[in-house]
Formats: sequence, structure tokens, C-alpha cells
Amino acid sequence: DAGITQSPRHKVTETGTPVTLRCHQTENHRYMYWYRQDPGHGLRLIHYSYGVKDTDKGEVSDGYSVSRSKTEDFLLTLESATSSQTSVYFCAISGGGTVNFGQGTRLTVV
Amino acid sequence: QQQVKQSPQSLIVQKGGISIINCAYENTAFDYFPWYQQFPGKGPALLIAIRPDVSEKKEGRFTISFNKSAKQFSLHIMDSQPGDSATYFCAASGDSGGGADGLTFGKGTHLIIQP
Repeated sequence: DAGITQSPRHKVTETGTPVTLRCHQTENHRYMYWYRQDPGHGLRLIHYSYGVKDTDKGEVSDGYSVSRSKTEDFLLTLESATSSQTSVYFCAISGGGTVNFGQGTRLTVV
Repeated sequence: QQQVKQSPQSLIVQKGGISIINCAYENTAFDYFPWYQQFPGKGPALLIAIRPDVSEKKEGRFTISFNKSAKQFSLHIMDSQPGDSATYFCAASGDSGGGADGLTFGKGTHLIIQP
């Protein structure tokens, strides 16, 4: 898995609660990404980071925020989870001309 | 606006046959075209990738064909095996594989290889 660890792997949360997903890499790559995967939509970019404290929005960023205080960690926060954010979330890192993905976090908002 | 269109959505192929998945893109700035393979409960894994300076790339049983003028690229799986049963995603990037653009994905093809 190219040195990418996502946690937790599964989470069930209630509508309106905050949720933070963590991505940890051991490759020292500059670029990190958060994608969500939904049936019929493929993978869509939520946010990405190009360095410590440097982040930017992707295609589906509404309702999400991110932070990167260390090169190896990229956090995705749902400030107030909604049912539409039920999805599988993947972290990815870019280096050497390739993009590699973590194992994913399955989030269910009830 | 969907920038990468993938077809078919699902595909059933007999063991030993050729599986073909097609993708078309719109953004002429794309310069990196990878294919990912995903098994249930796993993350997408890079299978093979091509850049627009070549028209074909082969790795084992997997081949990418690339048509720059038509803005299309396809994945061919020769001698398809039951272990190839998975979901396949094409993708494209305008920053040589990641960078600020990340990857733009097709919606995926669910491939089943029948024994």
C-alpha cells in the first residue's frame, strides 16, 4: 500500500457530529489527496495538499476541511456529518510520477 | 462536467478471452493516463499507465492503447483470468501524475471473468 495508512478503517457516526479521518504516509511525498468513492461516481477529489499547511479544494469540497501540520499526516474533517457524506474515503499520495492509494475508510452517517 | 468518460459500466468475459475497456477525455492538457484495478474492500492499485508520446504500452497481459487525435485510450486484458475480476478505473492528469490536479477518474467498469 505504498506506505499509506488510513485510520479508522470503519466508522459509524450520527448526523451532526464532527468526524476526523487520518492519513499517514511514510514516503515523504509532497502531495497528498483525499478522494471519496461512491457507486456510479468513481473517485472524486475532495481536497489536496502540496506541503505542510498548504492545502486547496478539489471537486467536492463542500462540508469538508483538511489540515496538514506534518509532511506525513493529512487529516480530513467533516465538521457536521450528513447522510450524504456516507461514503468510502481514500487517501492518496503522489511521488515519482505515480499516485498511490490507501486502503480506505468506510464512513456511515446515520 | 465529466472530463473522463468510461465504458462499459460492466463487462462479462469468458476465461481466456480479451477484455476491453474504453475511456475518452476532453481536456487536451491531460498528459498522464493511468489505469487502476480495485478489488472489493481494497484501495485502487495502479495497474499500468501511459503518456501521450507513445500509442501503446504493454505490461504482461495488460495493454494500453492511446489515440491522441481522438482523445481516447483503452485497456486490453489478454487471456483474461477469473483473478482479473475487479473494478477498473481509467484516470487522467494534467500534471504528469498527480501534482496540483490530482487525478480525474472515469466512473469505473465492473469486470467479471467467467470460468
